Amino acid sequence: DIQVTQSPSTLSASVGDRVTITCRASQSIGDWLAWYQQRPGKAPKLLIHQASRLEGGVPSRFSGSGSGTEFTLTISSLQPDDFATYYCQQYNSLRYTFGQGTKVEIK
Amino acid sequence: EVQLVQSGAEVRKPGQSLKISCKGSGYRFSNYWIGWVRQVPGKGPEWVGIVYPGDSETRYNPPFQGHVTISADKSTATAYLQWSSLKASDSAMYFCARVKDDGDCFGSWGPGTLVTVSS
Repeated sequence: DIQVTQSPSTLSASVGDRVTITCRASQSIGDWLAWYQQRPGKAPKLLIHQASRLEGGVPSRFSGSGSGTEFTLTISSLQPDDFATYYCQQYNSLRYTFGQGTKVEIK
Repeated sequence: EVQLVQSGAEVRKPGQSLKISCKGSGYRFSNYWIGWVRQVPGKGPEWVGIVYPGDSETRYNPPFQGHVTISADKSTATAYLQWSSLKASDSAMYFCARVKDDGDCFGSWGPGTLVTVSS
């Protein structure tokens, strides 16, 4: 099975900071990678799919890049609403693996 | 608008059975895969399995295969996740989620069903 490793597990940042989260797959997955945001007690929300395609309604400060085994999620200017936990997910042939998560905290 | 409505929280004892549901609306239910995702509080999500309501084809994450059963009833636009013999380790939040129009990741999610298994 394909594993995905996310880093860092926790990130402390301030409003306005540029933030980058990394996800590494155990084998090449092309661009079949998604990023989700999850707030406490809520379902995950899709932000980015196919590595770099922004989901409708998601602010443009979120962007994704990468292919193969290395991927990044970038928030260009952190806003108060962005303090949450972020997960990457590989999806390949209707099999799915989530990363361990990155909690973005207020510095 | 795509909506997924899940059944309410459940409390069971180890060894008991349980079936939770996820009702879809706002789209053609038969035409989209629906997945189930488990999340233990404080941990990351885990994919349990997925079902295509059109023909009931299912696929399971190996760690869950044989312990849960996923099904769908297209006549009522409802997907199900069931256990015949619960364990304490099954205690978690369970989300259903529908794949996107233009890709197989999960674009729409239900609010979750909290399952508690305790003696």
